[in-house]
Amino acid sequence: QTVVTQEPSLTVSPGGTVTLTCASSTGTVTSGYSPNWFQQKPGQAPRALIYSTNHKHSWTPARFSGSLLGGKAALTLSSVQPEDEAEYYCLLYCGAVQHWVFGGGTKLTVL
Amino acid sequence: QVQLVQSGAEVREPGASVKVSCKASGFSFTSFFMHWVRQAPGQGLEWMGRIGPSGEDTAYAQKLLDRVTITRDISTSTVYMELGSLRSEDTAVYYCGREWADSSIRSFDDWGQGTLVTVSS
Repeated sequence: QTVVTQEPSLTVSPGGTVTLTCASSTGTVTSGYSPNWFQQKPGQAPRALIYSTNHKHSWTPARFSGSLLGGKAALTLSSVQPEDEAEYYCLLYCGAVQHWVFGGGTKLTVL
Repeated sequence: QVQLVQSGAEVREPGASVKVSCKASGFSFTSFFMHWVRQAPGQGLEWMGRIGPSGEDTAYAQKLLDRVTITRDISTSTVYMELGSLRSEDTAVYYCGREWADSSIRSFDDWGQGTLVTVSS
């Protein structure tokens, strides 16, 4: 069973830049894992931000971007706003078994 | 607009089963994979499984393989998730979501509002 690992928590100052990463226990994360990223605030459903590594939805703020970095999937937030404080989850596709696996989530604090 | 409207909260005793529905509207239901994920109180998201656009192809998380069944009714644009042999650790909010997939893109976008399932004696 694939395990997907994210930083448990990160802190960033307003206006700063932060990168969240998403690693797979099976090895290097490639575009074939179709990384999707979600933002979740307390009491709300997940909100999709990024799909297939680096594609943004029409509602995704320009300050969010996705990439592959050092063998991991990455979500970078630039010019961070207070409203970006939330939990962020990555989701990876394990094509061999047609399964998807969530990372444990990163709690982002804007302070 | 796209809507995924889930059924209401459920309470079940341990050992029972529960069936949660998710009614879709505003899009071509048969063009999308439909997924279920859950979130236990204070915990992260867990992928449970998905059903293909035609309803003939399912995939489930290994740990739930013997207890979960996902079905879809094309005539009513509704997807269902049934979980059996419930235990206290199945207490969670259950979400349905849709995925668009082609040869190069796999995109999750919209989600239902969530359904709280409480397992308690």
